Amino acid sequence: KNEVEQSPQNLTAQEGEFITINCSYSVGISALHWLQQHPGGGIVSLFMLSSGKKKHGRLIATINIQEKHSSLHITASHPRDSAVYICAVRVQGAQKLVFGQGTRLTINP
Amino acid sequence: DAGVIQSPRHEVTEMGQEVTLRCKPISGHNSLFWYRQTMMRGLELLIYFNNNVPIDDSGMPEDRFSAKMPNASFSTLKIQPSEPRDSAVYFCASSPTRLSYEQYFGPGTRLTVT
Repeated sequence: KNEVEQSPQNLTAQEGEFITINCSYSVGISALHWLQQHPGGGIVSLFMLSSGKKKHGRLIATINIQEKHSSLHITASHPRDSAVYICAVRVQGAQKLVFGQGTRLTINP
Repeated sequence: DAGVIQSPRHEVTEMGQEVTLRCKPISGHNSLFWYRQTMMRGLELLIYFNNNVPIDDSGMPEDRFSAKMPNASFSTLKIQPSEPRDSAVYFCASSPTRLSYEQYFGPGTRLTVT
């Protein structure tokens, strides 16, 4: 079993829909990251959080440390949100990141 | 700032050849990470450095892989000899300080070994 599990693996939705991507992890962490990778391949950090909730524009990330679970939400989704979204955790006591397999999101116009 | 710079962006080589990937971290960043991304395994950490010193190389696949950071502004990842299963995208990322969690990724090097 992977230390970081994401669901769903693939998600297709219509423009305007509310999107939720989930991440569960099995190790103690000091922080969790949500990353975005566009078809061109570049990786961009969206959020880094260790508790609670963060919001940036139409993106919202939440984390529940007790349940070892995080969610990434996209409101009013748009075709330009189409990308692979990757959850990564920073293992407690270490600096390295452990990655989920990613969720491929496709938003159709 | 130019961000993390990687070169080359694409590399095609024949099995058995030596491959050297290069990374220039963001100026002032003290930590540098090398990752590999494949369809089968996703993103994996290969090695990371703090203040030019290798801290964790447990992700380096085997002795054919080596990484160096001779100074704060340059790192290399070398594969010798290369094999087809090394084909992947290799990302370099840097982080401001040892206690900072934010990582900034380079554009990646797509390696194809035939």
